[in-house]
Amino acid sequence: DSGVTQTPKHLITATGQRVTLRCSPRSGDLSVYWYQQSLDQGLQFLIQYYNGEERAKGNILERFSAQQFPDLHSELNLSSLELGDSALYFCASSVDILSPLHFGNGTRLTVT
Amino acid sequence: GESVGLHLPTLSVQEGDNSIINCAYSNSASDYFIWYKQESGKGPQFIIDIRSNMDKRQGQRVTVLLNKTVKHLSLQIAATQPGDSAVYFCAENDTGANSKLTFGKGITLSVRP
Repeated sequence: DSGVTQTPKHLITATGQRVTLRCSPRSGDLSVYWYQQSLDQGLQFLIQYYNGEERAKGNILERFSAQQFPDLHSELNLSSLELGDSALYFCASSVDILSPLHFGNGTRLTVT
Repeated sequence: GESVGLHLPTLSVQEGDNSIINCAYSNSASDYFIWYKQESGKGPQFIIDIRSNMDKRQGQRVTVLLNKTVKHLSLQIAATQPGDSAVYFCAENDTGANSKLTFGKGITLSVRP
């Protein structure tokens, strides 16, 4: 068990809808990362937060947004969903950028 | 369980043999490298890391080798066990820049009993 908790485990929704994925980092970790894993793209970095502030941004679509709250949990919001957004979404946390990331078990999003 | 479902290269080894998984990284400025293991239905699990000031690091049954000259990373698993069957990813990070951890495509390790 990595100590990173993601909810929900599975999410099925229709095109055009909006969903929120939630992540609780390991105790003591200030950095939270979001990754997308799809069939043909591998693990793609989306965004990183450190102690509530956005620190780095990857290939995150404008339809997607995230935030990290004062209690350090994070949410990833996906809107105007398309079929191609179906993927596994992973959250990871670390103490700092020089430490390994520890991943949750992901949220599997299916857009129908 | 759920599978990653990627069309990945596969390395098949006999149980008890040593496994070597190779990775070519792309960014010459990367100074921190990590190997992850991903089992079906789970998130990537940290195995071992190495910083660019080292060329070898050993853990329990695993060794990571780094060759910065040719931008090559390898993971050696001693006495491979059925529980080692998984997808393995290398990841690189330029910690002096934006600290984005970039993952390779992954390799499936299949252990034959």
